[in-house]
Amino acid sequence: QITLKESGPTLVKPTQTLTLTCTFSGFSLSTSGVTVDWIRQPPGKALESLALLYWDDDKRYSPSLKNRLTITKDTSKNQVVLTMTNVDPVDTATYYCAYRYASGTYYSDFWGQGIPVTVSS
Amino acid sequence: IQLTQSPSSLSASVGDRVTITCRASQDISGYLVWFQQKPGKAPKLLIYASSILQSGVPSRFSGSRSGTDFTLTISTLQPEDFATYFCRQVNSYPWTFGQGTKVEIK
Repeated sequence: QITLKESGPTLVKPTQTLTLTCTFSGFSLSTSGVTVDWIRQPPGKALESLALLYWDDDKRYSPSLKNRLTITKDTSKNQVVLTMTNVDPVDTATYYCAYRYASGTYYSDFWGQGIPVTVSS
Repeated sequence: IQLTQSPSSLSASVGDRVTITCRASQDISGYLVWFQQKPGKAPKLLIYASSILQSGVPSRFSGSRSGTDFTLTISTLQPEDFATYFCRQVNSYPWTFGQGTKVEIK
């Protein structure tokens, strides 16, 4: 059974660095074809992809946030970490991590329940 | 790549047929998935590759594609189907989303 759970602070001050951790089970991030990505949803707005990590440690970032984001993995701990620098109130959102595996005609896509983060002084 | 999803909300009754559409701003080669989300819960994958039903998902859900237009259909709406549905293209990163469609009880 694949599960993912986001953890981190739910309240951060403007200009601070936000660090979120995705702890997962039921799959290995070393398996070819596996990805973990971070997504957010501001209140009342659409979902937005933030950063993507491939099984081979290749990474992709949202162009609009690229300079502020870092995604890393700790395979031994089954964790993927997202760091966002210099946060602003507009970064207030629910943050999700998601697992995706695609191989041939097989496809799997699981999300965590999300963690609400408020940026406020 | 922009995804335009419509409608943003709809009211329907149990037993109704419901159709939600998602239009991509460019060719995504059919790499579109549909999710269902209920409040406080993780999104659940319904359809992948435009029209393939995820294992365990009821057959009343179906997806189709016509070029850059994609459709999610619920053939006979059930009480547990009242939720928000959204599409996502996974052809090129950043993987983008539709705005979501909230299906409410009439």
